[in-house]
Amino acid sequence: GEDVEQSLFLSVREGDSSVINCTYTDSSSTYLYWYKQEPGAGLQLLTYIFSNMDMKQDQRLTVLLNKKDKHLSLRIADTQTGDSAIYFCAETLRSGGYQKVTFGTGTKLQVIP
Amino acid sequence: DGGITQSPKYLFRKEGQNVTLSCEQNLNHDAMYWYRQDPGQGLRLIYYSQIVNDFQKGDIAEGYSVSREKKESFPLTVTSAQKNPTAFYLCASRDSAQPQHFGDGTRLSIL
Repeated sequence: GEDVEQSLFLSVREGDSSVINCTYTDSSSTYLYWYKQEPGAGLQLLTYIFSNMDMKQDQRLTVLLNKKDKHLSLRIADTQTGDSAIYFCAETLRSGGYQKVTFGTGTKLQVIP
Repeated sequence: DGGITQSPKYLFRKEGQNVTLSCEQNLNHDAMYWYRQDPGQGLRLIYYSQIVNDFQKGDIAEGYSVSREKKESFPLTVTSAQKNPTAFYLCASRDSAQPQHFGDGTRLSIL
């Protein structure tokens, strides 16, 4: 089955690195995504990684995927106050010809100035 | 600019009333989705549509209905049968194997 778990809250100081973790249970996931949601807004795609990759870096963002442990992480370098938001991980898997996306519960990142 | 437009941003429903949330996309995406978001919870899938004139129930379809008469439009009706409709509703669309793109959401409250 599919289930995606995240810790609910993370607090970091401005300038430090943030690491948001996610675990999933379905090993047949094809893509894994990270989305950012600011208050009262929709979800903004930050980055994604194919299941056959171990790491992806995009400017301040680094995604690490450990398929053996079904663990995904998002590292934000030099965290800024504008990074304060809720971060969702999501996995995609094929289900009867349809690509189903399952979202985690979201991690609220608080950046302290 | 291409994107997904949800309207209205805020919506109020009276007891026994049906309300319809609009979702329009000009991205030429085939697939469209409706999610419900409650505080402290992830997104739960209400309905999805992979092509025009076809749609499927998601995990929490009871009390909701949809239509997909045009590729660019996927309206969601919250019926009076939905006893706890207060939530943030998000519409998304996707093209083939690409990630979903989201609208800015509609917040529905009960009067």
